[in-house]
Amino acid sequence: KAGVTQTPRYLIKTRGQQVTLSCSPISGHRSVSWYQQTPGQGLQFLFEYFSETQRNKGNFPGRFSGRQFSNSRSEMNVSTLELGDSALYLCASSFPGQRTDTQYFGPGTRLTVL
Amino acid sequence: GENVEQHPSTLSVQEGDSAVIKCTYSDSASNYFPWYKQELGKRPQLIIDIRSNVGEKKDQRIAVTLNKTAKHFSLHITETQPEDSAVYFCAASIGGSQGNLIFGKGTKLSVKP
Repeated sequence: KAGVTQTPRYLIKTRGQQVTLSCSPISGHRSVSWYQQTPGQGLQFLFEYFSETQRNKGNFPGRFSGRQFSNSRSEMNVSTLELGDSALYLCASSFPGQRTDTQYFGPGTRLTVL
Repeated sequence: GENVEQHPSTLSVQEGDSAVIKCTYSDSASNYFPWYKQELGKRPQLIIDIRSNVGEKKDQRIAVTLNKTAKHFSLHITETQPEDSAVYFCAASIGGSQGNLIFGKGTKLSVKP
């Protein structure tokens, strides 16, 4: 099976702009989780979507939002970008309900905010 | 809030030696504990995981132990090799939901030949 894919891989934006990142899960996986990775804070959970519904949400401001489509692909949006939003954004997919519903990560989108 | 503490932050060992990384978690409802390896510029890769109904799990040179009473779990790598050099992250599920992981800050492991 093809792995988790994310587009774009690299993105440069300026403060105040908004950005949309995309994640395509492994075929058959219905859960998609998003994480922000920075050198200072490490890996932090943003939110999880399952069957087009947000199931869990981390402690991030409302500028961070997401959605999931009927084919399980997911997007996350960050509005009014701040310098501190520069990070690697990772998504991970899993097949909840099975005993081995491991999360598999995509390669990430490297966002730089200038 | 819930958190996972991971120690040490850096670890340097000689090739062939063992490496141990330790994590503690705060959410008593956590029931799933994966370990990920991340090489520079690459995605985190699952190397082993353990669920709350098991105390120990092994996979070749890698083993994980879990002490639910102490809310503590550890990664053991034996016979380390230079290719084991990477950053290792422990994680714990939050509120029993395995779609929501809280990660430790990571351990940078260096294996010297």
